[in-house]
Amino acid sequence: GAGVSQSPSNKVTEKGKDVELRCDPISGHTALYWYRQRLGQGLEFLIYFQGNSAPDKSGLPSDRFSAERTGESVSTLTIQRTQQEDSAVYLCASSPRQGYNSPLHFGNGTRLTVT
Amino acid sequence: KNQVEQSPQSLIILEGKNCTLQCNYTVSPFSNLRWYKQDTGRGPVSLTIMTFSENTKSNGRYTATLDADTKQSSLHITASQLSDSASYICVVTRSGGSYIPTFGRGTSLIVHP
Repeated sequence: GAGVSQSPSNKVTEKGKDVELRCDPISGHTALYWYRQRLGQGLEFLIYFQGNSAPDKSGLPSDRFSAERTGESVSTLTIQRTQQEDSAVYLCASSPRQGYNSPLHFGNGTRLTVT
Repeated sequence: KNQVEQSPQSLIILEGKNCTLQCNYTVSPFSNLRWYKQDTGRGPVSLTIMTFSENTKSNGRYTATLDADTKQSSLHITASQLSDSASYICVVTRSGGSYIPTFGRGTSLIVHP
């Protein structure tokens, strides 16, 4: 079946512009995660959704970052007034259900470059 | 603070050789530990999961070990192939409360012909 799909795969934007990154999780997966990965670095947690609710948004680095999820499906990560330090790969993952032993299924990410 | 530390940071080996990657964690209480493989330009993919009662688990040429007492895990790769070149990430999940797993920074493995 289809895996986690992210779009666009690459995005170049000018400093100060807003961007929206999209994640289509695997159908039926109730848990959804967003991570940021800077070049050569590990994955940095941003936000976690269970259904359409976000019980943990502790990783969002500033109020310029927001995310929503609708229909227990698609999620959008929005970055307002982008800065050069926002340049990174943004990875989305989904999981079959809320639980400790479920693996995360990752998309291939959106590479964001802020010029 | 719940942390996951991996070593070495990077490793270069010749094709056909074996190697072992290390993971130390302080995440508590412990639920499970996963090893993920991340190819360049792709998202991580789960290789294996270790729960508290498991000491060793194999997945083809990959063998993971867990010592829950010392909070250490290792990933052993046997007879390496060029396609093993990737970042290997150790991920530990707590039991109780948040389902947010804690990621290590990964070990970058390069296999040369």
